[in-house]
Amino acid sequence: KAGVTQTPRYLIKTRGQQVTLSCSPISGHRSVSWYQQTPGQGLQFLFEYFSETQRNKGNFPGRFSGRQFSNSRSEMNVSTLELGDSALYLCASSLVTENTGELFFGEGSRLTVL
Amino acid sequence: DQQVKQNSPSLSVQEGRISILNCDYTNSMFDYFLWYKKYPAEGPTFLISISSIKDKNEDGRFTVFLNKSAKHLSLHIVPSQPGDSAVYFCAAGGSQGNLIFGKGTKLSVKP
Repeated sequence: KAGVTQTPRYLIKTRGQQVTLSCSPISGHRSVSWYQQTPGQGLQFLFEYFSETQRNKGNFPGRFSGRQFSNSRSEMNVSTLELGDSALYLCASSLVTENTGELFFGEGSRLTVL
Repeated sequence: DQQVKQNSPSLSVQEGRISILNCDYTNSMFDYFLWYKKYPAEGPTFLISISSIKDKNEDGRFTVFLNKSAKHLSLHIVPSQPGDSAVYFCAAGGSQGNLIFGKGTKLSVKP
């Protein structure tokens, strides 16, 4: 069974640009969550989608947005990039949200903003 | 406001000894707690979890203890192995739906 797939794995952008990251969840998983990991800050929750609907949103500015498609694949977009957006962006999928909470993570997309 | 705290950024242990990683939380409404392990250039992988109605859960060399009155949980690894060297994240979840993670503790197990 294929795991969570994130593309691209690495990318470099400049300030002011925008970026779109993609996530394909494990087959059958309908919930997709996005997290940002920066040094010293752990994993900070961005948002969670279930059946194409955003169910939860973290404390990030409106420049960060996402969506989920009917096949459960998800994308997140960051507009007007800032230097501080440099981070590892992790996508995770799960069967449902109201269970033991186990998430299956992808390897992440490492974004560098210059 | 940090709801899940891992106050030790790093921990160094000798191979064969016990590793104890600690985690504190502030929200008494959390229903479950999990530990994840993360190697460099990889995503976090689930290690072990515990429900708020239990005080201990064991899986091989890994045991998680929960002290609800102290809002504290710990992960014990016995015996520690060099392959256990990684960053360990504590996470908590509940009715809010999403997992809240701590900042992580980097464990180094020395041969």
